[in-house]
Amino acid sequence: DTEVTQTPKHLVMGMTNKKSLKCEQHMGHRAMYWYKQKAKKPPELMFVYSYEKLSINESVPSRFSPECPNSSLLNLHLHALQPEDSALYLCASSQDSGHRTDTQYFGPGTRLTVL
Amino acid sequence: AQSVSQHNHHVILSEAASLELGCNYSYGGTVNLFWYVQYPGQHLQLLLKYFSGDPLVKGIKGFEAEFIKSKFSFNLRKPSVQWSDTAEYFCAVRRGGSQGNLIFGKGTKLSVKP
Repeated sequence: DTEVTQTPKHLVMGMTNKKSLKCEQHMGHRAMYWYKQKAKKPPELMFVYSYEKLSINESVPSRFSPECPNSSLLNLHLHALQPEDSALYLCASSQDSGHRTDTQYFGPGTRLTVL
Repeated sequence: AQSVSQHNHHVILSEAASLELGCNYSYGGTVNLFWYVQYPGQHLQLLLKYFSGDPLVKGIKGFEAEFIKSKFSFNLRKPSVQWSDTAEYFCAVRRGGSQGNLIFGKGTKLSVKP
């Protein structure tokens, strides 16, 4: 089973709202990722967690705040977003981000609209 | 900067036609190579991957890809496409030794006419 689940599927929020995206995997993977995908563009890496520690932050604005409560869960807290942040937010997981043959598996994404 | 190029933005084929989608990358060291597919309204799914060994790799649904190191290429092929292959195809590269940083190409939209 290579399933990564994400909730909610769709989210509409105002620029003053605070919301959170959730991601879960039960494959025993120790690396989890957040990507942002704008329409007709490839996914762009935002954050990488390895063994529940943040290992990569691709210069993402502080209005996006990731959290990894345990090895199966990954959250993305959103606050004071801008309309240009509207996108599909993808979560992925992999066995071990530092391993030579590591492979990432993606969730279905959360379609975020910021009004 | 490391980059991944997919030459075709949109490919339109009839069913049973052969497919080849190009992918080139710019990094000169060890790389891991992937093709992902995104069917309409669905999530990214892994089609195939290359780490080392036989440069011709076979994936799911009859897809295969060939790694040509001298050309920095990893082209995706399928001998006979079906309408159900209509999707967006992304090539991705992970630099050897990097901490999980997948670099994606811009994607190729494949439309298969029944």
